[in-house]
Amino acid sequence: RKEVEQDPGPFNVPEGATVAFNCTYSNSASQSFFWYRQDCRKEPKLLMSVYSSGNEDGRFTAQLNRASQYISLLIRDSKLSDSATYLCVVTSSNSGYALNFGKGTSLLVTP
Amino acid sequence: EADIYQTPRYLVIGTGKKITLECSQTMGHDKMYWYQQDPGMELHLIHYSYGVNSTEKGDLSSESTVSRIRTEHFPLTLESARPSHTSQYLCASSRRGRQGNQPQHFGDGTRLSIL
Repeated sequence: RKEVEQDPGPFNVPEGATVAFNCTYSNSASQSFFWYRQDCRKEPKLLMSVYSSGNEDGRFTAQLNRASQYISLLIRDSKLSDSATYLCVVTSSNSGYALNFGKGTSLLVTP
Repeated sequence: EADIYQTPRYLVIGTGKKITLECSQTMGHDKMYWYQQDPGMELHLIHYSYGVNSTEKGDLSSESTVSRIRTEHFPLTLESARPSHTSQYLCASSRRGRQGNQPQHFGDGTRLSIL
């Protein structure tokens, strides 16, 4: 079983829609959680960290459920520029805090 | 923008050649990482370093080697390139932080093609 699992999508949504991605992780000792965004043929870029109490950054809301070992990302009022692959990322001490990446969820926002 | 640089951006080279992919960061980050990513696939950690003179193997077995003689520099070397090494190689760095909760900043990547 992979350590971080995501629905690969693709999620095709119209502009202005709200879309939610989930991600599950298997290591209960995982320490830190992030969402990264990766555009086609580009490097991953940090979108936001995920805190235990949940956090919001503009149109983006991230939540963590440690009991169920899942992380979510909610995007409100989708823009065309939100089209990308969203990577769920988890760190744990037994990998030197290197990032464990999910395969990513592909989002396509259409006009 | 993060100050982490990779060279070359693209490399097409024949089988059997020795290759070194360069990665440098000017942020004074202790930790550095190398990932391998094939098109449309997830990133796989192949090497990481906690600091100078520290190198560790990642989750994905790789025939490459790394060195960390200076904080800012973390080169990756393939002694004899093969077509199976064709991939994108991404370098990242992060600050040392409590409980490892520091995000990583990525370089632009090196797209390597072995003929």
